[in-house]
Parts: sequence; structure tokens; C-alpha cells
Amino acid sequence: DQQVKQNSPSLSVQEGRISILNCDYTNSMFDYFLWYKKYPAEGPTFLISISSIKDKNEDGRFTVFLNKSAKHLSLHIVPSQPGDSAVYFCAASARNAGGTSYGKLTFGQGTILTVHP
Amino acid sequence: DGGITQSPKYLFRKEGQNVTLSCEQNLNHDAMYWYRQDPGQGLRLIYYSQIVNDFQKGDIAEGYSVSREKKESFPLTVTSAQKNPTAFYLCASSPDRDRGYEQYFGPGTRLTVT
Repeated sequence: DQQVKQNSPSLSVQEGRISILNCDYTNSMFDYFLWYKKYPAEGPTFLISISSIKDKNEDGRFTVFLNKSAKHLSLHIVPSQPGDSAVYFCAASARNAGGTSYGKLTFGQGTILTVHP
Repeated sequence: DGGITQSPKYLFRKEGQNVTLSCEQNLNHDAMYWYRQDPGQGLRLIYYSQIVNDFQKGDIAEGYSVSREKKESFPLTVTSAQKNPTAFYLCASSPDRDRGYEQYFGPGTRLTVT
């Protein structure tokens, strides 16, 4: 049972254009969402996050949008650069009944982004 | 230079042998995690520890064991009971066991079992 899904295995974009990476989730208890970027043979690096009390969070060229009713989030990269070429994972976390995080992240399968010069 | 180190980067073992993967962090983080990544799949949680001398099973703990005797160290043993041990293993840590959200990853160890 995949609770976090990235249905597009790959995305190809021209340099300077917008990249949009999508992520869907099924668990309504998820209340914090993150995007990680990963290069081959390296560990993922944290990119940007969003709490469920917000619908948008922006950090430079990166913006994450959250649509709770649709259980969908997306990462926008504008403008895209060749150095953005990597695998992007979305991840989600749920709080327990006591209000603290389990500390567990559930990851999607990842989307390979290729930005062409 | 603060960070998470995993050693070795590549590891080869014969089937039937136990192998221990090292993970050390000098970030003073409370929580530590082990994931495995297989081709075309996301990261799957093996074990996690929110505090010294305590750890919990993740989603795919069968065939693995861990210990957390020191805050800085969280070694993972892949036992002979793990049916498909060949994978890329990632260790992570988080500054607060309750936040746990923003996890910082090590460079990974690629284990090949033949």
C-alpha cells in the first residue's frame, strides 16, 4: 500500500522553463510534507517543506503547493537550470494523537528530472 | 565539519554472511534512521532510533538488526535472514526526535551480496 505516490517516473524540461513535479498521498493523517533532491550514489538533501496549515511555501526558485482536499502537492522550479537535474522525492509525516511527530517519513518513488541546456 | 558518515561506500559479501554497515554523526542529533533504496523505488524505512538505547522497527525490519549505544552511532547489521540484501543503504539523522521532519542523510553504502 503506497501512501505517497509520484506517478511520473521522469520529467524532461528545457533550461529556463518551469519544472513541475507532482506527488499524491492517501493518508489523511499526514500533516507535513517535504521535498528532497538526490544525485546518483549520494544521499538525498532536503529542499523545501510545507505544513498542512499552509497551501504554499516559497524558497528562491522553489515553490511547493499543497492541495489538502485533493491530497496533492507539487514542486515548482522556476527557472529550471541544468544543475537541477536529479531525482526528486516527496515525503510525508504524520503526527500521533499526542501532537508530536512519529519522526517517520514516508517517501514516494521519486521522479527523475532532466533539465536540457 | 559536521555531518553524517557512512562507511564503506561499497561493500561486497557472500550470501549467508552477516554484515554491519557503519553510520556516525557529529551533528548532536537525537534521532537516527536507516533506509534502503532499490531501483525505481523510494526510500523504505528499516529501523529508527529517537534516543540512545531505544529503537523501533520501520516498515521493512525483517532480516536486519540495529543498536544505539551512543548518540553518535547507529550501526545496521544485515543478517543472512534478509532475503534480498543487495541495495543502496542510507542513514539519516534529525535534530529533534519529535520534529523528525528534516532528516539529513549520509552518502550511502551500496551493498552487493552474491
